[in-house]
Parts: sequence; structure tokens; C-alpha cells
Amino acid sequence: AQKITQTQPGMFVQEKEAVTLDCTYDTSDQSYGLFWYKQPSSGEMIFLIYQGSYDEQNATEGRYSLNFQKARKSANLVISASQLGDSAMYFCAMREGIDMRFGAGTRLTVKP
Amino acid sequence: DAGVIQSPRHEVTEMGQEVTLRCKPISGHDYLFWYRQTMMRGLELLIYFNNNVPIDDSGMPEDRFSAKMPNASFSTLKIQPSEPRDSAVYFCASSLGGATDTQYFGPGTRLTVL
Repeated sequence: AQKITQTQPGMFVQEKEAVTLDCTYDTSDQSYGLFWYKQPSSGEMIFLIYQGSYDEQNATEGRYSLNFQKARKSANLVISASQLGDSAMYFCAMREGIDMRFGAGTRLTVKP
Repeated sequence: DAGVIQSPRHEVTEMGQEVTLRCKPISGHDYLFWYRQTMMRGLELLIYFNNNVPIDDSGMPEDRFSAKMPNASFSTLKIQPSEPRDSAVYFCASSLGGATDTQYFGPGTRLTVL
């Protein structure tokens, strides 16, 4: 069963604007972790941000923030002040237990 | 500190040949994971180790695939014999510990089997 859903195969955003990448998840566990990774065209997987299921505040890392709505089982990534270098694939992932499940990804393109 | 190191970065081989991919996890990390990424199937977990011991290899596609971790700083993923459908990017990742710990990925090995 699909556990991580990213409904936006592709997104466009104008440089310097904010963009939200959607992610919903499915779990019956109480303890889990939510992650976002960036994969630029060079191929590496870069960890961006983490949210624990018990964290009451939304995680933030520089221009990245995670809009965590536990009741709705959503963990959207917000990128503020988009830069051309933000163009990449973005993967949402959930870790319950040891292994991690990834969504299909969203390709973000930042327009100059 | 160095991140996860993988070698080679690119591998091109012919069908039927043996392929060995290598990984050095981040020092002190107790968990090591091997993933495969393809356009069709996305990122798939193949196998993971805890303290050098294979814990779950249910994602390994066939007996042609095998993985070892002889010590805390080295792991291999071997495909023998390789087939064209094994062409993919193979990632190694490591994490410090348990369920909510971040997995840090290596740069990946792009494997092409002709």
C-alpha cells in the first residue's frame, strides 16, 4: 500500500517567491519521522529537513520549513524566496521503524 | 566529517558480468542501507544492516543480488550475473540509530548493464 503520496509531479515557481510541495502519509504508528530530500540533476540525495511525530512545532531549516498537520497526516515542504539552484526533484519520506519509504517525488523548476 | 562514500560513481558492464558496488558509511553510524532508484519504481530499499548484521533483505530482487558488511566501515552490494534490467542508480545510506534518525545518502553509483 502506498504510504507516502506526493500529488504534484511537477511544480513551477518564480524566482524569489515561496512554493509549497505537498506530501501526505499513512501510518498507524504513533512514533515516526518525516523527511524531505532534494535530488538535483547531479543525482545525489541531499537531506533537507526532519519532523518528528511528537514535535509540536513545525521544523525549520533556513529557507525550508515543514508544515506539519498531524491530524491530516500531511507534511508539506515550504521553500521561501526560491532560488534558481532550488530546481530539483524533491522527495518526501517517512520512517516508521527502521526502513524509510519515499514518495514518487515532485520536480520543482524555478523560473528566472 | 566525510559523508557516505560510494564507489565507483559510474559503472558500465556487459550482461552476465559480476558487478560490485562499495560503500563506506559515516563513522559511528550503526545502520547502513542499500537503495535502488529507477524511473519506473522510484527509490526502493534493498537491504539494511544494523551493527554489520543484515536485518532485512526482503527488498533484494533476486538471488543474483547479495550484500555484505564485513566491518563497520565497509559494505558491498554484488550482482552476479548482471542483467540489463539491473541498470539503475544504487544508493548507500547510513544513520546513527533508530526510527526517527536521519538517513544520509552517498552520491550513488550509476550502473549501466549493456
